[in-house]
Amino acid sequence: QVQLQQSGPGLVKPSQTLSLTCAISGDSVSSNSAAWNWIRLSPSRGLEYLGRTYYRGKWYTDYAVSVKSRMTINPDTANNRFSLHLTSVTPEDTAVYYCARAHVFLGTGYFDYWGQGTLVTVSS
Amino acid sequence: EIVLTQSPATLSLSPGERATLSCRASQSISRYLAWYQQKPGQAPRLLISDASNRAAGIPARFSGSGSGTDFTLTISSLEPEDFVVYYCQHRDNWPPTFGGGTKVEIK
Repeated sequence: QVQLQQSGPGLVKPSQTLSLTCAISGDSVSSNSAAWNWIRLSPSRGLEYLGRTYYRGKWYTDYAVSVKSRMTINPDTANNRFSLHLTSVTPEDTAVYYCARAHVFLGTGYFDYWGQGTLVTVSS
Repeated sequence: EIVLTQSPATLSLSPGERATLSCRASQSISRYLAWYQQKPGQAPRLLISDASNRAAGIPARFSGSGSGTDFTLTISSLEPEDFVVYYCQHRDNWPPTFGGGTKVEIK
């Protein structure tokens, strides 16, 4: 059974960096059959896809245009987890952040396992 | 990017009734559409993939149909736990996007 466990602060000051980690059990961040994703939910923007990292002989990372200049997703093979870093946050980045797996069995485009979600509030 | 429009925003029904939720894409996405259910305080749960394939463990009262730009999620007979929010999502191209959601509430 795949489980994703998120960790990270719930409060970030404006202009600072939001950092979250997603620990994987029951699968591997280096799997050739999965992609590891970040998605957020806010009242103003709904569910918004942010980006992913995946391994297919080498590491790939893709970001949504809306956050591309501010976001980094890093795999951590030693600890079987991946992280999100979002720089220069504003109150508009306040949201519940989710990590999620996409598997090639589902075309690597749908999300079959999700983390529990982390409410991140951007406020001074 | 592809825009997914869900309707209605809110659907008021009684337990035992049939629910029909719509998702319309701004361009053809073949059958590359999924449906998710989200309960309060929980992450979304995958119900349907590729328009009509029920995910593992999903009850048979949930079914999906459609292709191209118009898709439907049908709940044949609403159970009390079904009165929550539903989202559609496409994987036709990059980036995947989600619809705005339909809330199914008790009438």
